[in-house]
Amino acid sequence: GAGVSQTPSNKVTEKGKYVELRCDPISGHTALYWYRQSLGQGPEFLIYFQGTGAADDSGLPNDRFFAVRPEGSVSTLKIQRTERGDSAVYLCASSSRGTGANVLTFGAGSRLTVL
Amino acid sequence: KQEVTQIPAALSVPEGENLVLNCSFTDSAIYNLQWFRQDPGKGLTSLLLIQSSQREQTSGRLNASLDKSSGRSTLYIAASQPGDSATYLCAVIRAAGGTSYGKLTFGQGTILTVHP
Repeated sequence: GAGVSQTPSNKVTEKGKYVELRCDPISGHTALYWYRQSLGQGPEFLIYFQGTGAADDSGLPNDRFFAVRPEGSVSTLKIQRTERGDSAVYLCASSSRGTGANVLTFGAGSRLTVL
Repeated sequence: KQEVTQIPAALSVPEGENLVLNCSFTDSAIYNLQWFRQDPGKGLTSLLLIQSSQREQTSGRLNASLDKSSGRSTLYIAASQPGDSATYLCAVIRAAGGTSYGKLTFGQGTILTVHP
């Protein structure tokens, strides 16, 4: 597609529920990133995929968070047993190889609210 | 651990004024530094990218400088316009040897309001 697409744009859920957030990167971009932005803060790195594999998942806060990218394009961020502190905007970004590796294109984000 | 700080947290200026946003980082071993713009409800738009070997980059009314040794960068906006109102974020990529990738460490942002 023309840009990075994220769905849903808004998600309200109750504490303890399971949530999935989807990211559709720019066609042909092999690298995909998830970031989390809390209110009034800058985005924080969560995980980086190169192709289908997670090359760096050091930013995932705990084992309730998991992300997959089974076919090397669309990615899903999964949050189990959501807590109020998980409320944030989850941003996805993608980039191409080589000289474009550090030029990320960000999606509009998925705003998650945990009640 | 890299920490990125932006000052001021918020800035309100009249249209036409020149302004400077500041960014500092604690670890000078960076690969590059980027300035982004974020509008409410939208993703981040990259404004300028400065490689670690460069001193500045310019794009239109925007000029970003980098002093890696002192851990500082500034974003200069000339002749500000109401359409410049947004949150401005700076971010660095750590130099880890070999191939780098987009693992950015962001500051908390400066909220800019330019009023007519």
